[in-house]
Amino acid sequence: ILNVEQSPQSLHVQEGDSTNFTCSFPSSNFYALHWYRWETAKSPEALFVMTLNGDEKKKGRISATLNTKEGYSYLYIKGSQPEDSATYLCAFRGAQKLVFGQGTRLTINP
Amino acid sequence: EAQVTQNPRYLITVTGKKLTVTCSQNMNHEYMSWYRQDPGLGLRQIYYSMNVEVTDKGDVPEGYKVSRKEKRNFPLILESPSPNQTSLYFCASSWGTEAFFGQGTRLTVV
Repeated sequence: ILNVEQSPQSLHVQEGDSTNFTCSFPSSNFYALHWYRWETAKSPEALFVMTLNGDEKKKGRISATLNTKEGYSYLYIKGSQPEDSATYLCAFRGAQKLVFGQGTRLTINP
Repeated sequence: EAQVTQNPRYLITVTGKKLTVTCSQNMNHEYMSWYRQDPGLGLRQIYYSMNVEVTDKGDVPEGYKVSRKEKRNFPLILESPSPNQTSLYFCASSWGTEAFFGQGTRLTVV
């Protein structure tokens, strides 16, 4: 079973602060790394898809980096807002399967 | 509009009564998969399909069946549902590095 680990499992951040969290994945048979934002009772919303070592992606205040050689990706949120409260999922795409981490539940305190 | 459609969105059923959750995509994607989401466990893959008539077990296939007779549809079948299959289910389809999710089906087995 492929192991995709996210840390921390949950995070409380003060509004306006910046934060980041980690996704670790196998460094072999890498095809793509996905980040999703997921609110309860809704479908996961795609944030980024990264395929190349050293990729950096940005969408507004959210950005992500990728290191395929060592098997990790970071997601950064700058100047957190209450609407950023959600679970952030990463998913490793290998040759055949899309395997999800358990998610990081982010809560922004006003 | 690119779409993955699941039905029903909500279902309450009794133990042992066969049910099918449908999933349909309009993007001509070859890869489709089913996940279940349980508190603290993230998204776990039940079954996936690389193409028509090609299906394989994910991490938690016990108690489920799938079929892929045509590219657009990938139904999830519970022949004899049990209470431990109470969960939130997501269908996803993907091609290349893009992955799209259905709206989710909340299933309760009593």
